[in-house]
Amino acid sequence: QKEVEQDPGPLSVPEGAIVSLNCTYSNSAFQYFMWYRQYSRKGPELLMYTYSSGNKEDGRFTAQVDKSSKYISLFIRDSQPSDSATYLCAMTVDYKLSFGAGTTVTVRA
Amino acid sequence: SQTIHQWPATLVQPVGSPLSLECTVEGTSNPNLYWYRQAAGRGLQLLFYSVGIGQISSEVPQNLSASRPQDRQFILSSKKLLLSDSGFYLCAWDRVPSQETQYFGPGTRLLVL
Repeated sequence: QKEVEQDPGPLSVPEGAIVSLNCTYSNSAFQYFMWYRQYSRKGPELLMYTYSSGNKEDGRFTAQVDKSSKYISLFIRDSQPSDSATYLCAMTVDYKLSFGAGTTVTVRA
Repeated sequence: SQTIHQWPATLVQPVGSPLSLECTVEGTSNPNLYWYRQAAGRGLQLLFYSVGIGQISSEVPQNLSASRPQDRQFILSSKKLLLSDSGFYLCAWDRVPSQETQYFGPGTRLLVL
C-alpha cells in the first residue's frame, strides 16, 4: 500500500465550476500537508500548506485536512482555464516529503 | 527572495554515457537540498537529500550519485546511464530547521536513448 493515495484523474470541468481534489494517507506521523500545482514540463509550485486539521483558505483555494480520517482535500472555486494543471498532494515527516501521484485537471473555457 | 536554478533544462543522452545535472540555490544559506525523479504519470520519487556540504543521504539504490561541493550547489551524476534513468529530475530546497515545505526548481528533462 502506498503511503499517499491520490486519484490520477483526469478531471475535466467547465469554467466556473468547483474543482475538488482528494488524497488519503496511511502514516499518522505526517506533520505538514501541502498542495502543489505543476504545469506541463515545469517544476511543482507550492499552492498551500497546513499542519492542523480544519480548513485554510487562500483566495479561490481552500485546503482541508482531517487527521482523524487521514484525508486531505483541495477545493478550487470559480475555476479558470489557467487552473488546468496537475495537482500533487504532499505530506512530510522529518526531512521527507511523500507525494501523491497527482491529479490532472482540465478547465474547459 | 530565494531562487533555485537547474541546468540543463533538457538533455538527450545515449545509454552508457555519463551524466551531470546541476542545481544552485540563491538567497538563502545552509539549505536542505533534495533530488527527485518524476516518471511520466507518476509521483515524485526522492533520490537524495543533503543537510550540509559533503553530507548526502541516498533513498534509492541505483546507478546515480549526488554531491554537494558548496553550500548552495547540488549535483546529480551517473557514470553510465541506463534507459530507465529517463525522466524529469527536480531539485528542491527547504529551510533549516523548518521542514514545513520544499520549493522546487524548474527541472531537467532527461531522455536516454
